[in-house]
Amino acid sequence: AQTVTQSQPEMSVQEAETVTLSCTYDTSENNYYLFWYKQPPSRQMILVIRQEAYKQQNATENRFSVNFQKAAKSFSLKISDSQLGDTAMYFCAFMKVGYGGSQGNLIFGKGTKLSVKP
Amino acid sequence: GAVVSQHPSRVICKSGTSVKIECRSLDFQATTMFWYRQFPKQSLMLMATSNEGSKATYEQGVEKDKFLINHASLTLSTLTVTSAHPEDSSFYICSARIFKTGYYGYTFGSGTRLTVV
Repeated sequence: AQTVTQSQPEMSVQEAETVTLSCTYDTSENNYYLFWYKQPPSRQMILVIRQEAYKQQNATENRFSVNFQKAAKSFSLKISDSQLGDTAMYFCAFMKVGYGGSQGNLIFGKGTKLSVKP
Repeated sequence: GAVVSQHPSRVICKSGTSVKIECRSLDFQATTMFWYRQFPKQSLMLMATSNEGSKATYEQGVEKDKFLINHASLTLSTLTVTSAHPEDSSFYICSARIFKTGYYGYTFGSGTRLTVV
């Protein structure tokens, strides 16, 4: 069974600075996707970034980037130039891709509460 | 694209009554939808997977007679909390798989905050 671990329950960062959220996972699968979702106070789940396991290049979306270390099963999220609107819960999630390309369920970590301070 | 609309956003009901939560895919067909429950400051807990035209698959420990799921069409899944009790008060979120060529992912509804009094 797959597990996702986020070891930082809470973090804070000053506006405009950079912060890194940690995520590790455990799986015996070789074909999978990893995601970071943001849940602001509105509680709407918003996709921040996704990484295909077969890609060596780290995904980047504007101020958000990941450090994907497949051998170490690590998938950290870096937020650059933090903004007040980045304040939210951040969830790391794993999804396996099965035989024939079937899409597995999302498996979430427990989340990291990020506070961006002015 | 790939928007899921969830209603109501908030509902307060009396203990013993039933509440229905709807989840609609607006611009795509969702053959599979997922229902999650989220307690304050916790992660999403998968309750069940609903497949269009067939019975839902419930996760271990989830009472299928209490949480009735219906997925009668490719765009609508409903979760009915029957004989609600205060301990059923929670935040419920639906999600659907996105199927696009070469793309894997999920989209989420905006959630329903259920308060049972």
